[in-house]
Amino acid sequence: DAGVIQSPRHEVTEMGQEVTLRCKPISGHNSLFWYRQTMMRGLELLIYFNNNVPIDDSGMPEDRFSAKMPNASFSTLKIQPSEPRDSAVYFCASRTAGFQETQYFGPGTRLLVL
Amino acid sequence: LAKTTQPISMDSYEGQEVNITCSHNNIATNDYITWYQQFPSQGPRFIIQGYKTKVTNEVASLFIPADRKSSTLSLPRVSLSDTAVYYCLVARTGGGNKLTFGTGTQLKVEL
Repeated sequence: DAGVIQSPRHEVTEMGQEVTLRCKPISGHNSLFWYRQTMMRGLELLIYFNNNVPIDDSGMPEDRFSAKMPNASFSTLKIQPSEPRDSAVYFCASRTAGFQETQYFGPGTRLLVL
Repeated sequence: LAKTTQPISMDSYEGQEVNITCSHNNIATNDYITWYQQFPSQGPRFIIQGYKTKVTNEVASLFIPADRKSSTLSLPRVSLSDTAVYYCLVARTGGGNKLTFGTGTQLKVEL
């Protein structure tokens, strides 16, 4: 298995532009998580899905952020418009249901908004 | 979920055993303890998980006392490549739950 796949790995954009981050979870996993990591705030959960349905989006910073999971093998995190304070590493993770659950993280997308 | 507290940083030398202790005083009956490891420029990686007593795998051991208010991650004979941030998390059994990462412990291993 290739693990969780994220694209792009690096993104540099200008303030005001739309940014779309993509994630392909591990096949067979039914939960997907989007995290953001910065030096100041550490690793924060933004949103997670169970069976393609958003369960908890309380971590989404504001309306500029949106996430979708149209099917079990694909999810997007969109920022529109982007701002310099959105600069961070964004991780996607997936998990299979079970008594004790382990999340598998992707390599992350390093976003820089100028 | 129970809040966790762990040292911000630790230093060690190659070949030594490293023990990182995490406190979770308010752990609930149906909570379990999970440790993740994160190298620079990578996503966190699961290390070990347990509910009580001792758990051992090829990477580490996890010691959990009877009251479960703390846990200790033990890394035997560390090497330079074990330099990373180690996160202690408490999660609830039963599925569909999120993990809350704290600040973690930055372990630095030197020659």
